[in-house]
Amino acid sequence: DAGVIQSPRHEVTEMGQEVTLRCKPISGHDYLFWYRQTMMRGLELLIYFNNNVPIDDSGMPEDRFSAKMPNASFSTLKIQPSEPRDSAVYFCASSSLGLAGDTDTQYFGPGTRLTVL
Amino acid sequence: AQKITQTQPGMFVQEKEAVTLDCTYDTSDPSYGLFWYKQPSSGEMIFLIYQGSYDQQNATEGRYSLNFQKARKSANLVISASQLGDSAMYFCAMREALENSGYALNFGKGTSLLVTP
Repeated sequence: DAGVIQSPRHEVTEMGQEVTLRCKPISGHDYLFWYRQTMMRGLELLIYFNNNVPIDDSGMPEDRFSAKMPNASFSTLKIQPSEPRDSAVYFCASSSLGLAGDTDTQYFGPGTRLTVL
Repeated sequence: AQKITQTQPGMFVQEKEAVTLDCTYDTSDPSYGLFWYKQPSSGEMIFLIYQGSYDQQNATEGRYSLNFQKARKSANLVISASQLGDSAMYFCAMREALENSGYALNFGKGTSLLVTP
């Protein structure tokens, strides 16, 4: 089975530009998470979805950040306008809850390294 | 308040030796899960091992085992027979249930492990 897929793997953009990060969760998983990782703050949960519905977006830093999950196999994280302090690695992870024998382990994608100049 | 504490920023171990990475946690929820992830220099987050709060036995996965001491609120990762490829950052994480029926995964700051020949 394919794992969590993220694109692009690397993104370099200029301040003020719109950035869209994409994620395809593991098939059958009903939870999807977006994390941001920086040296200063470590791994931070930005938002997560259950069955395509946003459950908790309290970690989204500002209104410049938005996330959508139009269907069970696709999610986007958008930053508009981007700023240099948004430079980080953004991870998408997915998990399932309630399946027999499942431990709701979150499986991570390879991440998108974002650099905002 | 910090929920996961990893007190060892960096650790060294010689190849073929065993090493213990410390993790303590703080929660008042009787139901929780503890996870360890490995992040090599390539950046991906790799799930290693899971321990549920109600599990009677310590979790094991190949060379990885989790020394779970519930009363002390510790969940140390033990890597036996270290290999050069074990050099990486290791993150401890805890899953807690939230009021909105969702759950959060709180990560520690990580321990950098270097395996030497």
